[in-house]
Amino acid sequence: GAGVSQSPRYKVAKRGQDVALRCDPISGHVSLFWYQQALGQGPEFLTYFQNEAQLDKSGLPSDRFFAERPEGSVSTLKIQRTQQEDSAVYLCASSLQALTGASGNTIYFGEGSWLTVV
Amino acid sequence: GDSVTQMEGPVTLSEEAFLTINCTYTATGYPSLFWYVQYPGEGLQLLLKATKADDKGSNKGFEATYRKETTSFHLEKGSVQVSDSAVYFCALRRGSTLGRLYFGRGTQLTVWP
Repeated sequence: GAGVSQSPRYKVAKRGQDVALRCDPISGHVSLFWYQQALGQGPEFLTYFQNEAQLDKSGLPSDRFFAERPEGSVSTLKIQRTQQEDSAVYLCASSLQALTGASGNTIYFGEGSWLTVV
Repeated sequence: GDSVTQMEGPVTLSEEAFLTINCTYTATGYPSLFWYVQYPGEGLQLLLKATKADDKGSNKGFEATYRKETTSFHLEKGSVQVSDSAVYFCALRRGSTLGRLYFGRGTQLTVWP
C-alpha cells in the first residue's frame, strides 16, 4: 500500500480482555517498529523487527505484551489481560532498510490504533 | 540515558509570526536529530533531520541546526501559516540502538488567522 496501515483504528476493551493490533508496513520494508503514545506524551519505543527477527524488545512494559512478525511483513501486537494503564495510541512504523547506523533511512509512521481500556 | 526535552506548549501565534520551539537532548556519542509533525487526524511525519554537528535541516520553511556545544536542535520558522497548526515532536536516534527513536513530549502549535 501507499503507507503504513494499522487496524483497528479504535478499540475499546474491558479490563482483563486480550487485544490484538495489526500493522501492515509499506511493501518491502525490512524494519518495523511499535511505539506506545500515552495522552499528552511523546511516543515510547516498544519493539523492533528486522524482517521476521525481533531484535529489540526492551521497551515492552510487561510480559502481557507480545509482538510477532512471522513472515517478515505484517505484524501483530498482542496485549493480554489489558489494564487501564494500557490505554494509549499504539503506533507502528516501518523503514526500507535495516537500521544499523545513526543516519539510516526515513521511518514512516502509521496513524495508530487508539486503545481505551475501561 | 538518552532523552529529549522540548518546550511545553501550547504555543499560540498569529499568522506570519516567527516561531521557535526549543529542543535539547542528552545522548552518548553522536546521535541523529529529527523533528516530526503530527497534523490533526494524521500519523507522525518526518519534517526535517540533521545527522551531524552544525548540519541544518530544512523543509517547508522550517529550519533546525544541530548544535553539539549546546546539545540543542531548536525548530524555527520565519512566518507561520494556519496550516502549520499541529503537534511537533523532537527526537533523536543513535546508531547503536538499531534505529530506536527517543521522542520529546511534543509541542502543540495553534496558528490563528
